[in-house]
Amino acid sequence: SYVLTQPPSVSVAPGQTARVTCGRDNIGTKSVHWYQQKPGQAPLVVVYNVIERPSGIPERFSGSNSGNTATLTISGVEAGDEADYYCQVWDTSASPPFVFGTGTKVTVL
Amino acid sequence: QLQLQESGSGLVKPSQTLSLTCAVSGGSISSGGYSWSWIRQPPGKGLEWIGYIYHSGTTSYNPSLESRVTMSVDKSKNQFSLKLNSVTAADTAIYYCARRRQRSRLFGGVIDYYYYMDAWGNGTTVTVSS
Repeated sequence: SYVLTQPPSVSVAPGQTARVTCGRDNIGTKSVHWYQQKPGQAPLVVVYNVIERPSGIPERFSGSNSGNTATLTISGVEAGDEADYYCQVWDTSASPPFVFGTGTKVTVL
Repeated sequence: QLQLQESGSGLVKPSQTLSLTCAVSGGSISSGGYSWSWIRQPPGKGLEWIGYIYHSGTTSYNPSLESRVTMSVDKSKNQFSLKLNSVTAADTAIYYCARRRQRSRLFGGVIDYYYYMDAWGNGTTVTVSS
């Protein structure tokens, strides 16, 4: 089955940089999107199409994608960034074609 | 500002049918470039895409659920719906409705379409239990 593999958890001190990875063979050819989900809330897209940020999302959130790994980078982490993060792709060769990653819990120390 | 609101049965007995509706406000369900999706999240677990529907009624479902899922759209009420039959405890989850946005990019000299969820409802909890 089609799996987007994320580390279960990432811990980071306030002000530092958190990197969340999303792995899959040749994911570098895909448009990857990232969602933030805080406890008790619906997911919210923070990065789409690898590097684009929706209006209202801080510049601290950025993305990259190459080879077999896509990465969400959160610079200058704040306490409010503590959440679960999911990557997502649309791949017509996959079943199902709309795929979410396994999810990463980002903890701010 | 687009808003989506789920409603429907919060408690469903095993083998029965789960029915949910998503009311869309602040925008038209017939807007071009969008389709309307359902996603679910079992307690403590990740996100699972259930399927999507266009305002035309065209649908696409997750193959793992396809035999039990039906989606429909009511343009007059600006809402869309989900039915999942023969439910079991494994269908217990938070169910979200969301708007799926279509965009395109030029990649390797080819136009490539991509899709992501740009607006979500707050979610509704459905428990399957006798």
